[in-house]
Amino acid sequence: AQSVTQLDSHVSVSEGTPVLLRCNYSSSYSPSLFWYVQHPNKGLQLLLKYTSAATLVKGINGFEAEFKKSETSFHLTKPSAHMSDAAEYFCVVSGDTGFQKLVFGTGTRLLVSP
Amino acid sequence: DVKVTQSSRYLVKRTGEKVFLECVQDMDHENMFWYRQDPGLGLRLIYFSYDVKMKEKGDIPEGYSVSREKKERFSLILESASTNQTSMYLCASSLIAGGRHNEQFFGPGTRLTVL
Repeated sequence: AQSVTQLDSHVSVSEGTPVLLRCNYSSSYSPSLFWYVQHPNKGLQLLLKYTSAATLVKGINGFEAEFKKSETSFHLTKPSAHMSDAAEYFCVVSGDTGFQKLVFGTGTRLLVSP
Repeated sequence: DVKVTQSSRYLVKRTGEKVFLECVQDMDHENMFWYRQDPGLGLRLIYFSYDVKMKEKGDIPEGYSVSREKKERFSLILESASTNQTSMYLCASSLIAGGRHNEQFFGPGTRLTVL
């Protein structure tokens, strides 16, 4: 069965420094992978998705992620953090059924200090 | 712009009450989902529906039921609310065409407190 591990529950960075949120996945199929962001008291918003095309995926707000099959990883990066990036981030893998289920990681809370 | 709306942002109910959470999407999506979100556990799937009147159990269906009478509306029902159902509930929808590549679109969530 598909699964996702987010390696850090919390990540703290200073404004203007790079962001790295780590994600490893397990899948018996060629997966689709997603990153979602959730700002406080809001629903989830799609940041980016990988669907077996280019391995480097660019998303909204300057985020990008690289699919590495050999490492079963899909880490999220941003060159320079902004205060508005403070939120919870979820790494997500497609399920292995025909009903488009998604399997969510437990989330990484990104804290950005001035 | 795509939109998923949920009937309440905050809800407080008493133990034993029957609770209805409503979700409406305006994107003509076939699939609809109900999740609960708890700190440290991420999102866990309660039920989903791939068509009107069709439903499938997710990972944690116990204590919940659902109803989908119209394509745009998906209701989550707590038959007899209990304190361990205090949580954030998120509704989502997605297309069937394109299969596993399709992202889900989320509503703003309902924070339910059961006293």
